[in-house]
Amino acid sequence: EADIYQTPRYLVIGTGKKITLECSQTMGHDKMYWYQQDPGMELHLIHYSYGVNSTEKGDLSSESTVSRIRTEHFPLTLESARPSHTSQYLCASSPNSDQPQHFGDGTRLSIL
Amino acid sequence: GESVGLHLPTLSVQEGDNSIINCAYSNSASDYFIWYKQESGKGPQFIIDIRSNMDKRQGQRVTVLLNKTVKHLSLQIAATQPGDSAVYFCAEDFGNEKLTFGTGTRLTIIP
Repeated sequence: EADIYQTPRYLVIGTGKKITLECSQTMGHDKMYWYQQDPGMELHLIHYSYGVNSTEKGDLSSESTVSRIRTEHFPLTLESARPSHTSQYLCASSPNSDQPQHFGDGTRLSIL
Repeated sequence: GESVGLHLPTLSVQEGDNSIINCAYSNSASDYFIWYKQESGKGPQFIIDIRSNMDKRQGQRVTVLLNKTVKHLSLQIAATQPGDSAVYFCAEDFGNEKLTFGTGTRLTIIP
């Protein structure tokens, strides 16, 4: 069973606030990913990392930023939240490209 | 552009029956495919995967079939149970170490 944790699970916050969504994994996986998912819809990749100090933008443009200072930690930050950022954010990790990605349970973000 | 698509957005199956969820892909160079199950309020959960050098792979109550000729992937669930109710996604690796997900099929098991 994969051990990947996301906090908070739910966040309701006002426009203009700075937000950091946390993602941690204890499996020592090099590859980590952030996806955005609207209710009932497919997942869209917004950021990924192949290891420490490696970050790349995904297929879906996002105003968020990420960092990868430690292998186990891959936080996502929104400097100034807007209602258009309301969505579910899912974090995943994998040991290499020939292995399935394992997902956390997501953060459901609502910007008022 | 490249896409991974699902034929049916919803599927209802009687408990105990078998279910088949289909997925079409368009990139013939894709070499790795994964099926995920997502329950309400949770992240996607890995079910089964298959590589392009295989046609079929079986797990516990699940079978994935890959038809490279028509670029089609299917997930068969045997003897469905209420706990199988969820949204099922296929995902495709184009070989660039990133996954592209399909739209998803909502499977409902009727008691």
